[in-house]
Amino acid sequence: AQTVTQSQPEMSVQEAETVTLSCTYDTSESDYYLFWYKQPPSRQMILVIRQEAYKQQNATENRFSVNFQKAAKSFSLKISDSQLGDAAMYFCAYRWMDSSYKLIFGSGTRLLVRP
Amino acid sequence: SAVISQKPSRDICQRGTSLTIQCQVDSQVTMMFWYRQQPGQSLTLIATANQGSEATYESGFVIDKFPISRPNLTFSTLTVSNMSPEDSSIYLCSVGQGNSYEQYFGPGTRLTVT
Repeated sequence: AQTVTQSQPEMSVQEAETVTLSCTYDTSESDYYLFWYKQPPSRQMILVIRQEAYKQQNATENRFSVNFQKAAKSFSLKISDSQLGDAAMYFCAYRWMDSSYKLIFGSGTRLLVRP
Repeated sequence: SAVISQKPSRDICQRGTSLTIQCQVDSQVTMMFWYRQQPGQSLTLIATANQGSEATYESGFVIDKFPISRPNLTFSTLTVSNMSPEDSSIYLCSVGQGNSYEQYFGPGTRLTVT
């Protein structure tokens, strides 16, 4: 069965610095999607970034980038120039590349941003 | 993107009662889902709400406890039946559309059972 593991329950970063959140997963599939979602205190889940497993190039969205290591089944999120608004729970998620849309979430990492 | 609303946003209910949560989307969507997020925990998929047929439940979730309706392509309800304090959670609705990879989430319903 597919599993997603986030080993960092909480991380802290100084404003304007860079932080990396870790995620590992287990799957026997060769094609799949990986996502990072952000959940601020308002509870609204927001998609931060996605990666298709068949793409070798790491995804980037402005200050957010991933380090996707398919062989190691690792999918870390790097946040550059951290801002106070980045403070939230971050969830790594796995999705099969089929029509089910089913998502498997990791346990989450709480990111604190120090002013 | 899809705009999703949920009602109620929060509720406090007594043990043994039932609560129905509504999820409304501003456009027709193919897939609708219900997730549970227990306090301080991650999201767990309860079921896929299928339009015109019974919902598809994940392991550990049953229709008698979490009946789901989906009368059309923009609306779904989740009922939490015969509630106990263990049902205290945030319940989130999400939607997926066509070939899009993205799932959009509603703001969630915070349920407290006393």
